[in-house]
Amino acid sequence: DGGITQSPKYLFRKEGQNVTLSCEQNLNHDAMYWYRQDPGQGLRLIYYSQIVNDFQKGDIAEGYSVSREKKESFPLTVTSAQKNPTAFYLCAVGDGPYEQYFGPGTRLTVT
Amino acid sequence: GENVEQHPSTLSVQEGDSAVIKCTYSDSASNYFPWYKQELGKRPQLIIDIRSNVGEKKDQRIAVTLNKTAKHFSLHITETQPEDSAVYFCAASPNAGGTSYGKLTFGQGTILTVHP
Repeated sequence: DGGITQSPKYLFRKEGQNVTLSCEQNLNHDAMYWYRQDPGQGLRLIYYSQIVNDFQKGDIAEGYSVSREKKESFPLTVTSAQKNPTAFYLCAVGDGPYEQYFGPGTRLTVT
Repeated sequence: GENVEQHPSTLSVQEGDSAVIKCTYSDSASNYFPWYKQELGKRPQLIIDIRSNVGEKKDQRIAVTLNKTAKHFSLHITETQPEDSAVYFCAASPNAGGTSYGKLTFGQGTILTVHP
């Protein structure tokens, strides 16, 4: 999981603005995932991608968008349509259908 | 879709005691069950996992058991230490191929506190 970077660590935005969170990996793994974590709660899957140029909606995709143009990168855009965007966003990477390893996360605050 | 329930939500033990966290799942197609440990402000770390072709797996002080008939699995930590204090999450995944590949559903988490 040392090969997964998320930037920035903290992000502040005004309501109504779109914001893009970065996730990069140098592990050469095919699968990448985005999760959202709210205080005192588990992780919820937003989007995932099993291969370049393909991605699937997770359980809470509304108000989010992604792209997977390169194997190394899976950026997440939080749009103004997301009702409660303030959360801890975690990117994960997997090699095969089993183990997933998380990046350090980005804390997004929208006011 | 899959639903994972985790209990208890908080667990307090004395150093040296054992701790047990239990999870149930709803989708009989689930066949991969990882456990993650998350320290305050940090990323979740995979600590152990089990696949449906085995009933138990052990790694030093940590063990996981799986009962597919009852659809539940448990994390056992023996000889607990203060550094075991963290939030623990269970998860389940069907991994049946196709678009469900690697799709994890997490439990709500258990806050474990180990008192010295």
